[in-house]
Amino acid sequence: KNEVEQSPQNLTAQEGEFITINCSYSVGISALHWLQQHPGGGIVSLFMLSSGKKKHGRLIATINIQEKHSSLHITASHPRDSAVYICAVPSGAGSYQLTFGKGTKLSVIP
Amino acid sequence: DAGVTQSPTHLIKTRGQQVTLRCSPKSGHDTVSWYQQALGQGPQFIFQYYEEEERQRGNFPDRFSGHQFPNYSSELNVNALLLGDSALYLCASSHVIDRGYEQYFGPGTRLTVT
Repeated sequence: KNEVEQSPQNLTAQEGEFITINCSYSVGISALHWLQQHPGGGIVSLFMLSSGKKKHGRLIATINIQEKHSSLHITASHPRDSAVYICAVPSGAGSYQLTFGKGTKLSVIP
Repeated sequence: DAGVTQSPTHLIKTRGQQVTLRCSPKSGHDTVSWYQQALGQGPQFIFQYYEEEERQRGNFPDRFSGHQFPNYSSELNVNALLLGDSALYLCASSHVIDRGYEQYFGPGTRLTVT
C-alpha cells in the first residue's frame, strides 16, 4: 500500500510570501492529486498531475515521478489561501482507491 | 455544470438508526467514490461504484453499503449507526482520462450520531 508523507504539517506565513508544501509517496503511481479543504468545508480538487508541472493562477504543482515527490507552491500568498492542503495518490498500482496524506494546515497572516 | 452535489448537507441520527446519503456526479462522469472523514483526520476510502457495481472497497464493515443508478448517481447506506460513524461523508466523481483519473469532490454530508 502506498504511504504518503506531507511536510510541513503546519505552516504560518505572512501575506505575500512564497509557500511550498511537499509530498512524498512510496509506490510508483500514474497520477497525484492536490486537494484543498477549508475549515469545516468540503474538499476542492486543485490539481491532478502525472508529470512535469501545472499552473492555475497563483498555484503551481510539480511532480518528479522518478523521485516519487511532488510540491505545491503558492505565490503571493493571501489570507484566503488559509486552508488544509492534502496530497493524495492511488493506493497501489492499478488501484482506484486514493490514499491521502495527513495534510498541511496553512495559515496566512495579513 | 453543477459539479458534484450531495444531499443532505447535514444530518443528525440516533445510535442504531439507518441513514442514506445521496450523490450526483459531475456531468460526464461515470464513477463515484465515497469517503469518510472523521474530525481532524484525512479521508478514508469506503468504496467505489462503476457501471452500477461496487468496483473496489476499503476497510469498512458490511454496515456500509451502496448503490449506483443507471444515471450514475449513487447512494451510501449505513445501518445500525454507531457514535463513531459521526463524520463528514464525501462523494467524488471521476472518469478515466489519459493516465490516472481526475476526481471531483462534492461538498460532503456531515453526519452526527447521538
